[in-house]
Amino acid sequence: KQEVTQIPAALSVPEGENLVLNCSFTDSAIYNLQWFRQDPGKGLTSLLLIQSSQREQTSGRLNASLDKSSGRSTLYIAASQPGDSATYLCAVRYSNYQLIWGAGTKLIIKP
Amino acid sequence: NAGVTQTPKFRILKIGQSMTLQCAQDMNHNYMYWYRQDPGMGLKLIYYSVGAGITDKGEVPNGYNVSRSTTEDFPLRLELAAPSQTSVYFCASSYLRDSNNYGYTFGSGTRLTVV
Repeated sequence: KQEVTQIPAALSVPEGENLVLNCSFTDSAIYNLQWFRQDPGKGLTSLLLIQSSQREQTSGRLNASLDKSSGRSTLYIAASQPGDSATYLCAVRYSNYQLIWGAGTKLIIKP
Repeated sequence: NAGVTQTPKFRILKIGQSMTLQCAQDMNHNYMYWYRQDPGMGLKLIYYSVGAGITDKGEVPNGYNVSRSTTEDFPLRLELAAPSQTSVYFCASSYLRDSNNYGYTFGSGTRLTVV
């Protein structure tokens, strides 16, 4: 069964710290992997998309890595800010329509 | 540049009532999707469409129906609402060409409560 797991479920860190969010998947035959951000009561915002042939993607203070052989992806956030507080979701695409989602990591950045 | 627009944002239904959640995208995306998100859970796919006139079931289609008469619109119909359908519903779209998916765009969601 294709499953996506995100650990930890919640994380609270002081402002300014660098942090890593983890995503693991059971089936390595992926098309791509996408990281999203979800703010309370709002929709999902796409942060980074990594194709199966890529190892990492960067956008500003965010860096996402992909290791298909170990079934893992990490989202690295540098110099965290209170505005980074949100739930971060990992989604793995296995086919043209099938996107398997993790339950998310709720991140709180303390000023 | 509206992206994906969902209406309404909030709705309270009584058990047995019906309603349609509207979704429209202006990016000429060929794929569209409906997801539901229950508290503390990942998103579950309800229905999806690969183009106008073509729809198919996802993981949790029971109690729902969809149609896709145009590229832009993908409404989700709830018949005989039940408390188990209390959830947040997200519509999304993506562009697929040559088996390459260029990522997903999501609407802001509809928070539905069935009482």
